[in-house]
Amino acid sequence: GESVGLHLPTLSVQEGDNSIINCAYSNSASDYFIWYKQESGKGPQFIIDIRSNMDKRQGQRVTVLLNKTVKHLSLQIAATQPGDSAVYFCAENTGGFKTIFGAGTRLFVKA
Amino acid sequence: DVKVTQSSRYLVKRTGEKVFLECVQDMDHENMFWYRQDPGLGLRLIYFSYDVKMKEKGDIPEGYSVSREKKERFSLILESASTNQTSMYLCASSLLSSLRSGNTIYFGEGSWLTVV
Repeated sequence: GESVGLHLPTLSVQEGDNSIINCAYSNSASDYFIWYKQESGKGPQFIIDIRSNMDKRQGQRVTVLLNKTVKHLSLQIAATQPGDSAVYFCAENTGGFKTIFGAGTRLFVKA
Repeated sequence: DVKVTQSSRYLVKRTGEKVFLECVQDMDHENMFWYRQDPGLGLRLIYFSYDVKMKEKGDIPEGYSVSREKKERFSLILESASTNQTSMYLCASSLLSSLRSGNTIYFGEGSWLTVV
């Protein structure tokens, strides 16, 4: 996941624009990745996942891209809406119970 | 939809008190987890359980214990609460031990604990 730190990276986008949130993962053996959305005061919500044998996976308004060469994961949100404002974080799993979570990126959507 | 329910959303406890955080899932999931989440840090695993009465330490088990007497219920116990345990606690569950597409970790809404 992302480097742990006290201050979350922040992304500010205009409503209607596309958002790209990035995540560098740590373990080259990780074979399953998840993106979560966490709104203020709530628990994380599953958005989309991808296995290591894929480069891209699309959902409704969201796309996850995986670049195993540089251990990089990105979440693209199309036509960002105010309701998309939240903290987004990635998670990696190597199988079994060990899942590593990134610290997250805070997305602000300006109306 | 998977439902993971944490019974207490907000708690304020005194240093030294024993604290119970309860979690129930309704999807017959095998695995349950307790994480804590602190500002700017990723989720850190405290304990997990892969079966009734089974438990395994996570990354930060010190100061905590857990109980899983029934498949649907997983309790986190702070034997003697301390101020450095002030945090948001997240319960989660998953169906199978190996996370795969369609078998991911589902979280509850969180329990905010303040120890004074």
